[in-house]
Amino acid sequence: RKEVEQDPGPFNVPEGATVAFNCTYSNSASQSFFWYRQDCRKEPKLLMSVYSSGNEDGRFTAQLNRASQYISLLIRDSKLSDSATYLCVVNEVGNFNKFYFGSGTKLNVKP
Amino acid sequence: GAGVSQSPSNKVTEKGKDVELRCDPISGHTALYWYRQSLGQGLEFLIYFQGNSAPDKSGLPSDRFSAERTGGSVSTLTIQRTQQEDSAVYLCASSLSGGLEEEQYFGPGTRLTVT
Repeated sequence: RKEVEQDPGPFNVPEGATVAFNCTYSNSASQSFFWYRQDCRKEPKLLMSVYSSGNEDGRFTAQLNRASQYISLLIRDSKLSDSATYLCVVNEVGNFNKFYFGSGTKLNVKP
Repeated sequence: GAGVSQSPSNKVTEKGKDVELRCDPISGHTALYWYRQSLGQGLEFLIYFQGNSAPDKSGLPSDRFSAERTGGSVSTLTIQRTQQEDSAVYLCASSLSGGLEEEQYFGPGTRLTVT
């Protein structure tokens, strides 16, 4: 079983739509959670950290559900520029500097 | 300021040859990470450095892979006797001090093709 699993998509949505991605992780004791964004043939860049109480950054909202071991990313009012692959990232407890990346969920926002 | 840089950007090598990949982290960042990304796959953790020390090398795929970091700055990832399955993009990232909540800043990667 993979440490982090994501629906690969692609999610094809029109501009202005709301879209949500989920990511599940296997280690219940993991402590740090992130969403990174990766554009085609580019390096990943941090989109946002995910905190226990949930957090919002403009059109983006991240949630953590420890009981069910998943994190989510909600994007409201999608823009063409949101088209990218979104990577879920979880750290490994006991070796705090080892991070597991999901395979990513691809989002295509269309006019 | 300057971000993470990696060289070469592309490397084509014949099976069985050795290759060396280089990473220059952001100045002042003590933590450095190596990952590899195969086509359509997520990032696979390889190794982490805090300063010049690598506390966990278990992510290296085989004993053909080695990495070092000198002067708390530049790191090199060496692959000996390359195999076709080593073909991937090798990404390096750095963070300020390796804290759990810190952002990792990635370099543009080295695309390795083993023929």
